[in-house]
Amino acid sequence: EVQLVETGGGLVQPGRSLKLSCVASGFTFSSYWMYWIRQAPGKGLEWVSSINTDGGSTYYPDSVKGRFTISRDNAENTVYLQMNSLRSEDTATYYCAKDLTTPFDYWGQGVMVTVSS
Amino acid sequence: DIQMTQSPASLSASLGETVSIECLASEDIYNNLAWYQQKPGKSPQLLIYYASSLQDGVPSRFSGSGSGTQYSLKINSLESEDAATYFCLQDSEYPTFGSGTKLEIK
Repeated sequence: EVQLVETGGGLVQPGRSLKLSCVASGFTFSSYWMYWIRQAPGKGLEWVSSINTDGGSTYYPDSVKGRFTISRDNAENTVYLQMNSLRSEDTATYYCAKDLTTPFDYWGQGVMVTVSS
Repeated sequence: DIQMTQSPASLSASLGETVSIECLASEDIYNNLAWYQQKPGKSPQLLIYYASSLQDGVPSRFSGSGSGTQYSLKINSLESEDAATYFCLQDSEYPTFGSGTKLEIK
């Protein structure tokens, strides 16, 4: 059974950092692109970052470019999201997902990040 | 960046009715369009990929169509469990989501 379990969320002050982790199981992790998507409370979905299978290529929207870094450890079946210089508008539920929009698409249950003083 | 305009923002329909949700892309996305269903407190679930392919396990009352810049999700014979928010997602280039449609079953 495919599982994606996100951890590392919580309350953080503006300007500080937080690192999210997503541990995968039930599939060959190293064969799939991985994604982070977020959803602010009561709002829609926003793509946050993507990483290819070997971690050599990463992608971000302008809203987080230069502040967030996605990485992966294929030996540990884990994808990470390092979030620096956090802002109130980064407050959201962060989802880890695999192989978006394909028949192998799967999302984790999400982890809440609250940026507030 | 490709923008996705989704309509309507909300929808109310009765059991057994048929509804449609539209997504308009700001440029041709070559059928690289998926539809998701999200229920409160849950993560999104894939319904349709590549514009019209039904994901395994999804009831056949869900269907997708479209091409170029215009795409739609149709739900036939509405059931109470279809009450949810629906999103489109294009991944022709960097992924962008539609703003969502909240479906209420009367």
